[in-house]
Amino acid sequence: EAGVAQSPRYKIIEKRQSVAFWCNPISGHATLYWYQQILGQGPKLLIQFQNNGVVDDSQLPKDRFSAERLKGVDSTLKIQPAKLEDSAVYLCASSSQGLDYEQYFGPGTRLTVT
Amino acid sequence: DAKTTQPPSMDCAEGRAANLPCNHSTISGNEYVYWYRQIHSQGPQYIIHGLKNNETNEMASLIITEDRKSSTLILPHATLRDTAVYYCIVRVGYRNTGKLIFGQGTTLQVKP
Repeated sequence: EAGVAQSPRYKIIEKRQSVAFWCNPISGHATLYWYQQILGQGPKLLIQFQNNGVVDDSQLPKDRFSAERLKGVDSTLKIQPAKLEDSAVYLCASSSQGLDYEQYFGPGTRLTVT
Repeated sequence: DAKTTQPPSMDCAEGRAANLPCNHSTISGNEYVYWYRQIHSQGPQYIIHGLKNNETNEMASLIITEDRKSSTLILPHATLRDTAVYYCIVRVGYRNTGKLIFGQGTTLQVKP
């Protein structure tokens, strides 16, 4: 079974630029999550989708972050404009219906904002 | 905020059992305890979960105290590949709306 795919793996941008991350979850998984992990900390949930609807986006900085999951499969997370404090690893995870405690994580995208 | 407390780091000799403690004194009666681990440069990996009974799978065992205020994850024969950050999590909320709140975890170093 293929795992959660993310791209790019690494990205370096200057502050005030925009950036987008892509995630392809495990086939058939209804729930998709985006996490932000700052160095030395545990992952923090940014947004959770159930199919193509948003379940929880309470921790998403909506003035600069946006996410979408068209057709309930792939998802993109965008930051515009980026700030220095956005430097982190952005992790995508997915889980199957009714088993949302068992999340499968992708390798993450390491973002460096200079 | 995370509802769990873990020691920041632990060492374990290769081949010995690794016992990772976790305190969750404010856990509610219907909240499960979950364990994940994160190997360097990888995403977190689910290990095991439990409510009040001890649980075992191919990766680890989970021992939950009778009052449910603490638990221990046991890796019976630690290998160098078990070196990772281990997160103990009490999920907040309910199915499909519940979320995992990760703390800082315990960094387990398995030494030869």
